[in-house]
Amino acid sequence: KNQVEQSPQSLIILEGKNCTLQCNYTVSPFSNLRWYKQDTGRGPVSLTIMTFSENTKSNGRYTATLDADTKQSSLHITASQLSDSASYICVVSVQGGSYIPTFGRGTSLIVHP
Amino acid sequence: DSGVTQTPKHLITATGQRVTLRCSPRSGDLSVYWYQQSLDQGLQFLIQYYNGEERAKGNILERFSAQQFPDLHSELNLSSLELGDSALYFCASSVRQGVGTGELFFGEGSRLTVL
Repeated sequence: KNQVEQSPQSLIILEGKNCTLQCNYTVSPFSNLRWYKQDTGRGPVSLTIMTFSENTKSNGRYTATLDADTKQSSLHITASQLSDSASYICVVSVQGGSYIPTFGRGTSLIVHP
Repeated sequence: DSGVTQTPKHLITATGQRVTLRCSPRSGDLSVYWYQQSLDQGLQFLIQYYNGEERAKGNILERFSAQQFPDLHSELNLSSLELGDSALYFCASSVRQGVGTGELFFGEGSRLTVL
């Protein structure tokens, strides 16, 4: 069964600090992995996309990594800001067929001043 | 702005009632997805339509139904509402199904409160 597990479930950090969120998946055959950011009460927005051949991709202060061998991904946030407070959702897609991506439950990040 | 429009933004109704949520996908997107997000829960996939046809079903209750119209907008119908149906309902669209990077573009959601 295709599954996406995220950790930690929630995280509280101080403004300016760095943090790393984890995503483990069992989705197969792998096509791509996206990290979405969901502000409270808003729709998720894609931050990055990782394909099989990519190890690292950055989007401003967000850096995603992918280890396709161990089926793990991480999202590193540098110099956190109050606006980073949100839920971060890992979403993995399979190749071909009916395109229904598998969503993780998300990591809730709270950045305190 | 994702380009996906959902109406209404907020809806309060009573148990046993029926409501319809509407979604207009991004211009050119053929696939529409519906998700349910209960308080502090993850996004639960309900159903997908592609160019007017139902393509996949997730954890959608029999009391819920959806359709996609020729102009590609979609409606999610929720009937015999129960307290537990209170949630945020998101619509998302993508260009196509299957091959491709498949980014989902989400609307701002419809918040349903059942009293």
